[in-house]
Amino acid sequence: GENVEQHPSTLSVQEGDSAVIKCTYSDSASNYFPWYKQELGKRPQLIIDIRSNVGEKKDQRIAVTLNKTAKHFSLHITETQPEDSAVYFCAAAGGTSYGKLTFGQGTILTVHP
Amino acid sequence: KAGVTQTPRYLIKTRGQQVTLSCSPISGHRSVSWYQQTPGQGLQFLFEYFSETQRNKGNFPGRFSGRQFSNSRSEMNVSTLELGDSALYLCASTRGNLRDRESGANVLTFGAGSRLTVL
Repeated sequence: GENVEQHPSTLSVQEGDSAVIKCTYSDSASNYFPWYKQELGKRPQLIIDIRSNVGEKKDQRIAVTLNKTAKHFSLHITETQPEDSAVYFCAAAGGTSYGKLTFGQGTILTVHP
Repeated sequence: KAGVTQTPRYLIKTRGQQVTLSCSPISGHRSVSWYQQTPGQGLQFLFEYFSETQRNKGNFPGRFSGRQFSNSRSEMNVSTLELGDSALYLCASTRGNLRDRESGANVLTFGAGSRLTVL
């Protein structure tokens, strides 16, 4: 089955810096790659996603890139703010999967004021 | 538009007992998926239901089961609870149809979760 590896497990940055989180996946049939943000004690919330027919997608300070050949995708957050502090999860889904996501292990992002 | 609602939010059980968790999806969503979240294992897929049928299943023992009703509400059951079943159980809903998936509209929305503690 699909396997998703996520790095780093923890990331500490200063406010205003950029943060990059990287994920690799194993199943070449995967074609949907969402990123979720989970604040302490809250539910995971989708922040951005990308499909395999797109190489890059941007939404304000957040961008995701996808390299299908290398089977990796990355989350980029620019001009980080303290409220960006949370756990970020990447995930992959594909084939006939609708509600089945394979998640990475998560990255704890801390943005210091 | 109401979000995904899970009940109960917190519960404490003892080993050997069984538990039933409930999930009401967003109106119009026919797919409900369940995930187990633990500090050690992260977010792991349990199963997905669509139109009252299990469409996908993860690698969990048979003690974990689920079902979906005609109104798309779903329940999951864990029998013979073990200490290791202590976790946050999250459900997520999506419309779940092929057209949405192909157009990129098949986004999962999570509920707040049911936190289960097994003593």
